[in-house]
Amino acid sequence: AQTVTQSQPEMSVQEAETVTLSCTYDTSENNYYLFWYKQPPSRQMILVIRQEAYKQQNATENRFSVNFQKAAKSFSLKISDSQLGDTAMYFCAFMKQGTSWGKLQFGAGTQVVVTP
Amino acid sequence: DAGVIQSPRHEVTEMGQEVTLRCKPISGHDYLFWYRQTMMRGLELLIYFNNNVPIDDSGMPEDRFSAKMPNASFSTLKIQPSEPRDSAVYFCASSPSQASPLHFGNGTRLTVT
Repeated sequence: AQTVTQSQPEMSVQEAETVTLSCTYDTSENNYYLFWYKQPPSRQMILVIRQEAYKQQNATENRFSVNFQKAAKSFSLKISDSQLGDTAMYFCAFMKQGTSWGKLQFGAGTQVVVTP
Repeated sequence: DAGVIQSPRHEVTEMGQEVTLRCKPISGHDYLFWYRQTMMRGLELLIYFNNNVPIDDSGMPEDRFSAKMPNASFSTLKIQPSEPRDSAVYFCASSPSQASPLHFGNGTRLTVT
């Protein structure tokens, strides 16, 4: 079974600053996907960024980037130039390839609060 | 693209009543998922469909829960009879293929009193 651990329940950051969220996972699989989802107060789950395990290059989406360390089973998210609209709960998630695809295993989440 | 549409947004019902949650996936998405989010257990997959066929329902908590997908544009999750411990946010998500990420709806907050 896979487990996803987010060790930071809450992070506070000032506007325009950078914040890094940690995520570690435990798996014996070699092929899988990792995701960061954002859940603002509106409740919708919004995909922030995605990483395929076979890709060594770290994924980047505008102000969001990841540091994927496969050997260490670590997948941190960096939010640069934080904006008030980034305030949300952030979930790290793991998904196997092949069978059991679609079964996202989520971490407990990190609440990010961006202050003016 | 209207996204995944769920209804109702909120549902309050009494214990023992039947509850039906509805979902319209994104057009062209062959995969549909039902997830449940609670404070205690976080987000859990209940069931998912591929081309309207249930593929994995191992997450359905018990026989009181049932899900159907009569066509490519509609799915329901039914709880009968409902219990207070079923109170949660229920998400529907869809995806066009195995290589693509899931797109979630806004969820239905269910409260069973």
